[in-house]
Amino acid sequence: KQEVTQIPAALSVPEGENLVLNCSFTDSAIYNLQWFRQDPGKGLTSLLLIQSSQREQTSGRLNASLDKSSGRSTLYIAASQPGDSATYLCAGYGGSQGNLIFGKGTKLSVKP
Amino acid sequence: DTGVSQDPRHKITKRGQNVTFRCDPISEHNRLYWYRQTLGQGPEFLTYFQNEAQLEKSRLLSDRFSAERPKGSFSTLEIQRTEQGDSAMYLCASSLRGQIQETQYFGPGTRLLVL
Repeated sequence: KQEVTQIPAALSVPEGENLVLNCSFTDSAIYNLQWFRQDPGKGLTSLLLIQSSQREQTSGRLNASLDKSSGRSTLYIAASQPGDSATYLCAGYGGSQGNLIFGKGTKLSVKP
Repeated sequence: DTGVSQDPRHKITKRGQNVTFRCDPISEHNRLYWYRQTLGQGPEFLTYFQNEAQLEKSRLLSDRFSAERPKGSFSTLEIQRTEQGDSAMYLCASSLRGQIQETQYFGPGTRLLVL
């Protein structure tokens, strides 16, 4: 059964810092991995999706990598801004029909 | 704006009452998912439809929960005889099966509070 773990649970950084959020999964037969952002009380916004055949994806200041052999994914945020403050969730497609299995998220706070 | 809409956005109800939530997916998407999220946790899968067929249900979906997608478009999630433990954010997502990148797009969620 696929399990997804995110470390750290919370992170506070000063504005401008580069940072890395970590995600690990137990089943290397993961299909795709998706990173989301969630603002308080809101739904999820998809940031990046990495297919199982890919190693990384980039969008603006965000870069996500996937290492299936080690069961890890990282989300790199460059030059962090206060507007990046949110909870970041990673999710693997673990079910036979494509349902997502989520980690508990990393709550990021970027201080001005 | 992801294109997935949910209604209502907030619902407060008394224990024992029935509630129904609606989800309208992105129009061309044939897959629709329901998830539940409690405070401090990631979303947990409840059930999923491909077109009008309900293909998978989580063990989290007790007998008090029922979901439908009658015409393969919008979906409803009903909770009967609500309990305080049902208080959560209920999220709907949709995707297009067959695409290489099968990104799931989420709606804003319905926040349920059972008193």
